[in-house]
Amino acid sequence: AQSVTQLGSHVSVSEGALVLLRCNYSSSVPPYLFWYVQYPNQGLQLLLKYTTGATLVKGINGFEAEFKKSETSFHLTKPSAHMSDAAEYFCAVSTADKLIFGTGTRLQVFP
Amino acid sequence: EPEVTQTPSHQVTQMGQEVILRCVPISNHLYFYWYRQILGQKVEFLVSFYNNEISEKSEIFDDQFSVERPDGSNFTLKIRSTKLEDSAMYFCASSEDFSGRKYEQYFGPGTRLTVT
Repeated sequence: AQSVTQLGSHVSVSEGALVLLRCNYSSSVPPYLFWYVQYPNQGLQLLLKYTTGATLVKGINGFEAEFKKSETSFHLTKPSAHMSDAAEYFCAVSTADKLIFGTGTRLQVFP
Repeated sequence: EPEVTQTPSHQVTQMGQEVILRCVPISNHLYFYWYRQILGQKVEFLVSFYNNEISEKSEIFDDQFSVERPDGSNFTLKIRSTKLEDSAMYFCASSEDFSGRKYEQYFGPGTRLTVT
């Protein structure tokens, strides 16, 4: 069975600091991996995805993630946090018919 | 840019009542999904739907739930007799029908269901 673990339910950074949100997955087949962002009182927006090919994927708003098969990880990073990045971030793995989400990480950005 | 839409944005209902949540997927998408998110918890898969059939459903999706594509544009989730624990945000999603992109799901803004 496939699963996703997000380490850290809350992450706080200062504006301009590096953002690192951790995601580890478990999958018996080559995974399709996703990061979604949820702003307060809004739906889920796709940040980026990994399906095949290049292991470093770039997404919207300056975010990127690297698929590391040896570590079963797909951590999300952004070099310099902005106040507008404050949101809930969900890592997800895809099976044929559904997405399995992690428990989410709430990112707070302080001025 | 095409988007998934959902109505209503907020539904309040009494326990035991039937509710229908509506979604309009992106027009050229052929796979449809419902997820729910109880306040403060993770997003959970309910059901996937393709070619007018349920392709997969979770343990949450019991006999009280049903889905339907009544016409060429709408996709609905019905809860026959709501319970307090059905209070959640319900998200509709859709994806295209060919490999490589099938797995990218686009989400609607959600319907917040409150059962009193």
